[in-house]
Amino acid sequence: KAGVTQTPRYLIKTRGQQVTLSCSPISGHRSVSWYQQTPGQGLQFLFEYFSETQRNKGNFPGRFSGRQFSNSRSEMNVSTLELGDSALYLCASIEVAGYYNEQFFGPGTRLTVL
Amino acid sequence: GENVEQHPSTLSVQEGDSAVIKCTYSDSASNYFPWYKQELGKGPQLIIDIRSNVGEKKDQRIAVTLNKTAKHFSLHITETQPEDSAVYFCAASLNNDMRFGAGTRLTVKP
Repeated sequence: KAGVTQTPRYLIKTRGQQVTLSCSPISGHRSVSWYQQTPGQGLQFLFEYFSETQRNKGNFPGRFSGRQFSNSRSEMNVSTLELGDSALYLCASIEVAGYYNEQFFGPGTRLTVL
Repeated sequence: GENVEQHPSTLSVQEGDSAVIKCTYSDSASNYFPWYKQELGKGPQLIIDIRSNVGEKKDQRIAVTLNKTAKHFSLHITETQPEDSAVYFCAASLNNDMRFGAGTRLTVKP
């Protein structure tokens, strides 16, 4: 089956703008997590969605938001972009296997804020 | 919350040698420990994982060990090849709360 799809792959924005990133999980997976990856901070958890509901949220400001649609596709939005928001944004498709949940990552969206 | 420490941050080995990456975690309730390999320009790829009720798991040249008492787990790669060069991340998870180590950049020299 197809893997995790993230669009766009690359994005360049300027400070103050907003951006929307999209993630389509693996078919049949109903849960999605978003991460921010930077050289200095590593992989940091943003939020997790399951069946259109946000189940968990990381320690990011309110400028970072997300949502999930009925077909499990998810979007994340960053408003009022700052230079420090430049990062690789990764979406993980989660296979809920009872007690243990495996996460499969997409290729990411590389966001550059100028 | 969970805190995962990973060592070393960089590792260089000769082709054919073994490589070992170690991680420690703080929350004894964590029950799932995956390892990811990330190549340049790509997202992390799950390469092996271990559950808290298992002490060791092996998949061809890759093995992972878990010591629940000491709260540490390790990735072992034997007979390394140049294509093993990448950044490796460990993670510890309880339910869907997954925390990652800072990563180890492995370089395998031909």
